[in-house]
Amino acid sequence: EVQLVESGGGLVKPGGSLRLSCAASEFIFSSYSMNWVRQAPGKGLEWVSSITGSSTYIYYADSVQGRFTISRDNAKNSLYLQMNSLRVEDTAVYYCVREGPSRYLGFDYWGQGTLVTVSS
Amino acid sequence: QSVLTQPPSVSAAPGQKVTISCSGSSSNIGNNYVSWYQQLPGTAPKLLIYDNTKRPSGIPDRFSGSKSGTSATLGITGLQTGDEANYYCGTWDNSLSVGWVFGGGTKLTVL
Repeated sequence: EVQLVESGGGLVKPGGSLRLSCAASEFIFSSYSMNWVRQAPGKGLEWVSSITGSSTYIYYADSVQGRFTISRDNAKNSLYLQMNSLRVEDTAVYYCVREGPSRYLGFDYWGQGTLVTVSS
Repeated sequence: QSVLTQPPSVSAAPGQKVTISCSGSSSNIGNNYVSWYQQLPGTAPKLLIYDNTKRPSGIPDRFSGSKSGTSATLGITGLQTGDEANYYCGTWDNSLSVGWVFGGGTKLTVL
């Protein structure tokens, strides 16, 4: 069974930094695009960033462009999100999400999420 | 403000049918595939429908999807109390800000 396990969440002050990690297992990690999707408390889903299997293409939501950096290490089956210049509005549960082999397949597996709280 | 527009809430009695709409534009729904996600309280979202109309293995045929032009619809028949959840539509957007977009979510209440 595909598993995605996030870690690295926590409490950070505005302007601070945090690095999220996602450990993937039970599938050929390098063959899939991976994403981060977040959900603020009591709010809907917001796509954050996407990275293709070989890291050739990377995309960011306007809300995080220039502050967040997505990366992956296929040798370690791991996905990362470096978050800098954090703002109160970045407070959310961050999900690591696998994208199907083609975009028409949508987001087929989600991790359990890790909570990031930005507060003074 | 979400790029895709969904009704905030819908409700129906057990055993009845409900539909949830998702409205977009030519840069997203009009030229890409729509997927739907179910988020039960306190859990991560789960893929319900992909490729506009298809169900992943394990999703009952009570759930269906359709798409026409720049809109998509999720249908649920034979409603059960266990279907109470938030439902989200999502798709790729080819506008200036390329990336995935979601609807604001619809809370389904089974009365």
